[in-house]
Amino acid sequence: GAGVSQSPSNKVTEKGKDVELRCDPISGHTALYWYRQSLGQGLEFLIYFQGNSAPDKSGLPSDRFSAERTGGSVSTLTIQRTQQEDSAVYLCASRLGVNSPLHFGNGTRLTVT
Amino acid sequence: GQQLNQSPQSMFIQEGEDVSMNCTSSSIFNTWLWYKQDPGEGPVLLIALYKAGELTSNGRLTAQFGITRKDSFLNISASIPSDVGIYFCAGQLNQFYFGTGTSLTVIP
Repeated sequence: GAGVSQSPSNKVTEKGKDVELRCDPISGHTALYWYRQSLGQGLEFLIYFQGNSAPDKSGLPSDRFSAERTGGSVSTLTIQRTQQEDSAVYLCASRLGVNSPLHFGNGTRLTVT
Repeated sequence: GQQLNQSPQSMFIQEGEDVSMNCTSSSIFNTWLWYKQDPGEGPVLLIALYKAGELTSNGRLTAQFGITRKDSFLNISASIPSDVGIYFCAGQLNQFYFGTGTSLTVIP
């Protein structure tokens, strides 16, 4: 597709379970970002991938959160042992180059019960 | 992280009125961006600004990159009901930093 694609669009999980969220960036975009948006809040930076460089993980809230980007394209955000406070919309964005703006997917709404 | 102060937090206006919102920061940014987010969707880019002092329009939207590189404003002229949503500013250094959003309600 032409835009950033995220799956699933909605995920309900029980507390303590692991979840994986997927992001397909726009083809050819070298940088990929993950953000978290809690209800009615702004965007909280989680992690950033740029090409083959080591990712910037400075925004990950705990060691239960991890992400990888395979082959410089698709990315997976994994949350282990989910907690209720992990409930939020997880947004992925990609950009073409250093001076390019971010383009967002529609997010995955995660609900931890 | 960097703090972006976005104001106002919310606005309720009559259809046809003009809207103005702004972002300020204690840091200098290389790029300012404005996004709009509709419910259940990701933010969509409205305007990107790359030079201090730059004034850019996109239809009824006008945005400016402040001369100090620490602020930006977004104006919407002659608002219509579909302008409803949350507007975010973002400043870019190596990272993108987002404001807390302005929720706009347009009353027909």
